Amino acid sequence: DAEITQSPRHKITETGRQVTLACHQTWNHNNMFWYRQDLGHGLRLIHYSYGVQDTNKGEVSDGYSVSRSNTEDLPLTLESAASSQTSVYFCASSPGTAQERQYFGPGTRLLVL
Amino acid sequence: GQQVMQIPQYQHVQEGEDFTTYCNSSTTLSNIQWYKQRPGGHPVFLIQLVKSGEVKKQKRLTFQFGEAKKNSSLHITATQTTDVGTYFCARTGAGSYQLTFGKGTKLSVIP
Repeated sequence: DAEITQSPRHKITETGRQVTLACHQTWNHNNMFWYRQDLGHGLRLIHYSYGVQDTNKGEVSDGYSVSRSNTEDLPLTLESAASSQTSVYFCASSPGTAQERQYFGPGTRLLVL
Repeated sequence: GQQVMQIPQYQHVQEGEDFTTYCNSSTTLSNIQWYKQRPGGHPVFLIQLVKSGEVKKQKRLTFQFGEAKKNSSLHITATQTTDVGTYFCARTGAGSYQLTFGKGTKLSVIP
């Protein structure tokens, strides 16, 4: 069955380190999104991509970067992790044919010490 | 701006009671989506509303889209413990695939 996976599921790192969170989908969806979820803020968009080689900044993109070298993957990199980036990160995808639903991955819990 | 305001933030109900969460926007919505997130889980799509005044039902869940397309509601009849979770509304931008989420309503059901 087609799916969207994230790895690692849990990560502890130190401030200043570079961290990369993986997102992989097997639906062949054009659109992929990264969100962070924090208490009191709901889900906030970090970066998104509408296809290979396309990346765009979302609402809270500072300190994060993404690259899209193929359809299946959109890794999220924290260039220099900060304690404020402790959060739960969700990847999502959608086909890109209309304003349709998004399919979410299981999430990655990141703790920056 | 493009925000959606969701109320209430929290709701505690006795099992069997009804529950309603509201989603409001200051600007006209092209459509509205609803998602449910179980504790420790990820958001799961429930439904999309597109037409003014639209009402859709899924078993005990009733979704409404306002006539002016500036508000929406989710109503659960006779809540069950399986309804526990956070319910989010989300708007899409015109001609865009991005979603802007409300902050969600966290539902607790007391058995």
